[in-house]
Amino acid sequence: DIQMTQSPSSLSASVGDRVTITCQASEEINNYLNWYQQKPGKAPKLLISDASKLETGVPSRFSGRGYGTDFTFTISSLQPEDVGIYYCQQYDHIPRFTFGPGTIVDL
Amino acid sequence: QVQLQESGPGLVKPSQTLSLSCNVSGYSISSGNFYWAWIRQPAGKGLEWIGRIYSNGHTNYNPSLKSRVTIFVDTSTNQISLRLTSVTAADTAVYYCARDVVGSFDFWGQGTLVAVSS
Repeated sequence: DIQMTQSPSSLSASVGDRVTITCQASEEINNYLNWYQQKPGKAPKLLISDASKLETGVPSRFSGRGYGTDFTFTISSLQPEDVGIYYCQQYDHIPRFTFGPGTIVDL
Repeated sequence: QVQLQESGPGLVKPSQTLSLSCNVSGYSISSGNFYWAWIRQPAGKGLEWIGRIYSNGHTNYNPSLKSRVTIFVDTSTNQISLRLTSVTAADTAVYYCARDVVGSFDFWGQGTLVAVSS
């Protein structure tokens, strides 16, 4: 199975800061990479698909890029409501979907 | 708006079978176009994909769980179901159902906590 790693595992930032999370796949996954946000006690929410495609209704301060094995997720200006855990997920090797371990974003 | 709602026992004894249902509203499963998935999350840990089912009953399972998992679909009630046999404490988790759009999970249920304990 494809293994996904994320760094950092957690970060603390201030409102307005630029925040970047990296995700690395153990094998090439083209651009078949999603990013999810999970708030405490809630289900994950799909933010970005195909590595860089923003889902409808997701604020433009969120962005993603990458191809192959290395991907990044950026919040251009951190807002209080962005606190949560962010997961990457690969879907290149359907149907063996795998998630990264998550990155905790805190203020 | 598509909505999913999980239901089932919150407590299962070790070695027994975990059974959950997921009611889908706002979209008819029989229309096809999407798979419907189960994903779980142990407390304080990450997400694990369990498996998925299409409207015609075609399934895919996580190889690590395949020997114990069955997913069903009932298009007459617009529900999917999960059965996990021979459970242990390691199966304690929040279980989510979700819509699978070619590997992207765009709608999720709120999740249901299942504890495995005697």
